[in-house]
Amino acid sequence: DADVTQTPRNRITKTGKRIMLECSQTKGHDRMYWYRQDPGLGLRLIYYSFDVKDINKGEISDGYSVSRQAQAKFSLSLESAIPNQTALYFCATRGGDIKDTQYFGPGTRLTVL
Amino acid sequence: GIQVEQSPPDLILQEGANSTLRCNFSDSVNNLQWFHQNPWGQLINLFYIPSGTKQNGRLSATTVATERYSLLYISSSQTTDSGVYFCAVTQTGANNLFFGTGTRLTVIP
Repeated sequence: DADVTQTPRNRITKTGKRIMLECSQTKGHDRMYWYRQDPGLGLRLIYYSFDVKDINKGEISDGYSVSRQAQAKFSLSLESAIPNQTALYFCATRGGDIKDTQYFGPGTRLTVL
Repeated sequence: GIQVEQSPPDLILQEGANSTLRCNFSDSVNNLQWFHQNPWGQLINLFYIPSGTKQNGRLSATTVATERYSLLYISSSQTTDSGVYFCAVTQTGANNLFFGTGTRLTVIP
């Protein structure tokens, strides 16, 4: 079983709809992250959480919100989706040591029409 | 914030050839990682290398932190090496990784 899972893997939605992307991990890590990737660009950080009670904005948090329901679960919501939020979204986890690598989920491809 | 530049942006190699990918960063870092994104989108960590040299099979990496660059070497390339290679760094004193825009590698048989 994968250490980091994301659901759904693909989603097509319409402008104005609310959508939630979910992430679960079995690594036991406290730190979880949401990134988006646009064609030709690297990953940009949307939100991150260092534990259940700690949520922080990343580079591009506008238009997004998150919920850390448990250590293992971190959800990303688009309250009112717009076309320029069409992208590939990745969830990642990491241990507490700076040397720890980040483990990425398989990604969710979101298309907003 | 810190700037991370990767070169070249695109690279096409014949199978069996060697290559060097470069990552320049604009400030001191305490974390540098290389990732490979395969053609199906999956991201895999290759190296954690804030300084020094590491090798793993046909891949090796060197980071010269004082000169703010890192190099990823791929020897005897295979078609399975195709994909995008990302360098990501954490600026000293910060918490999170900043990604470069990647080098897209295509290895042709």
